[in-house]
Amino acid sequence: SQQGEEDPQALSIQEGENATMNCSYKTSINNLQWYRQNSGRGLVHLILIRSNEREKHSGRLRVTLDTSKKSSSLLITASRAADTASYFCAFSGAGSYQLTFGKGTKLSVIP
Amino acid sequence: NAGVTQTPKFQVLKTGQSMTLQCAQDMNHNSMYWYRQDPGMGLRLIYYSASEGTTDKGEVPNGYNVSRLNKREFSLRLESAAPSQTSVYFCASSLGQRNTEAFFGQGTRLTVV
Repeated sequence: SQQGEEDPQALSIQEGENATMNCSYKTSINNLQWYRQNSGRGLVHLILIRSNEREKHSGRLRVTLDTSKKSSSLLITASRAADTASYFCAFSGAGSYQLTFGKGTKLSVIP
Repeated sequence: NAGVTQTPKFQVLKTGQSMTLQCAQDMNHNSMYWYRQDPGMGLRLIYYSASEGTTDKGEVPNGYNVSRLNKREFSLRLESAAPSQTSVYFCASSLGQRNTEAFFGQGTRLTVV
């Protein structure tokens, strides 16, 4: 399987703390994306980082990409209860239209 | 602006029955995808259509067929449903160029008994 792998599978933190989740993949990629899914809902795109970028910020989100290690991390700073959701990385392989997802990290932010 | 619309939202089938899941997008996107989501497995790609007139198998295509009816619509058909196809199905679309995000529908929760 070419699925990405994320860790941890589940993460529970207090409101105000930072949350870090990691994603590893096996192929060469065009880009890596992070999505969020609230319980029972569809996925919502958060941020995209291109293969030639190393770090990207969007509000309280910070994404890093290390193509030599085939890994990415998503940092959510100053977490809020509303950040409680599952987070998925997704990537498209070089020259491919397929968008492959990881298995996700379930984040719980305790008020 | 509806985005990606899936129908139905819920469905219960008996083993051996057939059904078609419908998906339509109004964003003039080129690429469309069907995924299934199972607990602990994340999203797995069933089929995708890079552009109108083309379809390709993803990771788990067995037991499914697809039709890219036009640029807007991409349907997923289960010819003979099996309990192993109990899942939540998501349709998604994207511009299809490099470095573009995917937009998802709200999902279809399918139970096969």
